[in-house]
Formats: sequence, structure tokens, C-alpha cells
Amino acid sequence: GAVVSQHPSWVICKSGTSVKIECRSLDFQATTMFWYRQFPKQSLMLMATSNEGSKATYEQGVEKDKFLINHASLTLSTLTVTSAHPEDSSFYICSVLRSSTDTQYFGPGTRLTVL
Amino acid sequence: AQKITQTQPGMFVQEKEAVTLDCTYDTSDPSYGLFWYKQPSSGEMIFLIYQGSYDQQNATEGRYSLNFQKARKSANLVISASQLGDSAMYFCAMRDGPGTASKLTFGTGTRLQVTL
Repeated sequence: GAVVSQHPSWVICKSGTSVKIECRSLDFQATTMFWYRQFPKQSLMLMATSNEGSKATYEQGVEKDKFLINHASLTLSTLTVTSAHPEDSSFYICSVLRSSTDTQYFGPGTRLTVL
Repeated sequence: AQKITQTQPGMFVQEKEAVTLDCTYDTSDPSYGLFWYKQPSSGEMIFLIYQGSYDQQNATEGRYSLNFQKARKSANLVISASQLGDSAMYFCAMRDGPGTASKLTFGTGTRLQVTL
């Protein structure tokens, strides 16, 4: 069965609005989750590392004020795309780190379209 | 320099045949891990197999095996007895930092098409 869930699976919003994406670890507690984005026909690019109980660590070039990450519990991390614009349209995927094997398990992804 | 290189943008294989997807990597860290993920058209990334840099034997998981050649810095994925459901994008990834802060770097992927 699924190890990681994401909600919503797809969302369409108007430019200027904010969108929240949830990532849940279903099988185990995770102190570390990751957020990626993937443009069509391209590879995954890491956006940030989400740490339970502390601030997220963002990759170079990723605006922390635009992509707000909250990892409030050991099973839930959220990514909020604030004031979304059409260039934010992408496939956003989260992953959960299983510490015992140092393996990341991915959610099914969220397709965001900003009109 | 690219950390993970997948030189095959697309591959075709006939059903029931074996196929090798290439992956080379670059790191100076003696401790690292190599992963292969499958991404079908639905978008989900499915973990397939893992190889640690200190593992003496090549990893195997069912029909998947990893041909790990450390000196050549290659970690090719071998899929035996291909099935139509194997058609997907395949990504090689590397973790080259210790501990839970380790991040994955992905290659550009190989699209595998299994034909009848």
C-alpha cells in the first residue's frame, strides 16, 4: 500500500491566490520530508528539506517567502505556494525519509495549474 | 559538473527481454548511496532498488538488479523479463552525504518503452 499521500492530487487556481499542498507519511513517523518540483519532461529538482519542529532548509534560488513549508507533526508537512503565478505551474512531489534505511519514499504528486 | 548522468533519453525493449539502463555518477564522498526510481505516467515516483557504496554485493530486488561498478562509477539498472507495465521513466539518484540531512540528486531520466 501507499506509504505517502498528497492532497490535493491536482489544483487549478487563479493568479494571485495561495495554494496549500499536504504531504502525509502513512507508514512511519518522519522527522524529515522533502519537497520537489518537476517541469514537464524534466527531472526532479529539490526545493526544500522539511524538518519537524524547526524551519525548513531551502535550496539555492528557492524563495522561502513564496514557498512556505510547515512540518508541524511527524506525519504531516505542508507546502503553501503564496501569491501563485502561471510560472509556478508545475508538478510538486513530496518525499518522506525512512531514517532506518535512509531511503526516500515519494507521494503521488500534486499538479498545480495557475491561470 | 553533473553528479548523475543518464545518457539514454529513451530505450525500447521487447517484452520478456532484459534491458540495461545506464547511470554514471560523480562524487568525492566515500560514503554514498545510489537509488533507482520508476515514474509511470501517473507521476508517482516508485522506489525500486538501493545500493550503498560499501555494499560488497550488487543489489537485487525481484526482476531488478543493480550492476554496481565502483571503479567506473557506474550503477546500471538491469530489468529482467520485461513486462508491458515496465514502460515508464526511470531515474537514477544519488545521496552523497551522511545522516538524515542527506539529499538526493537525480539524473535526467530514461524513458523505457516495452513493446510486444
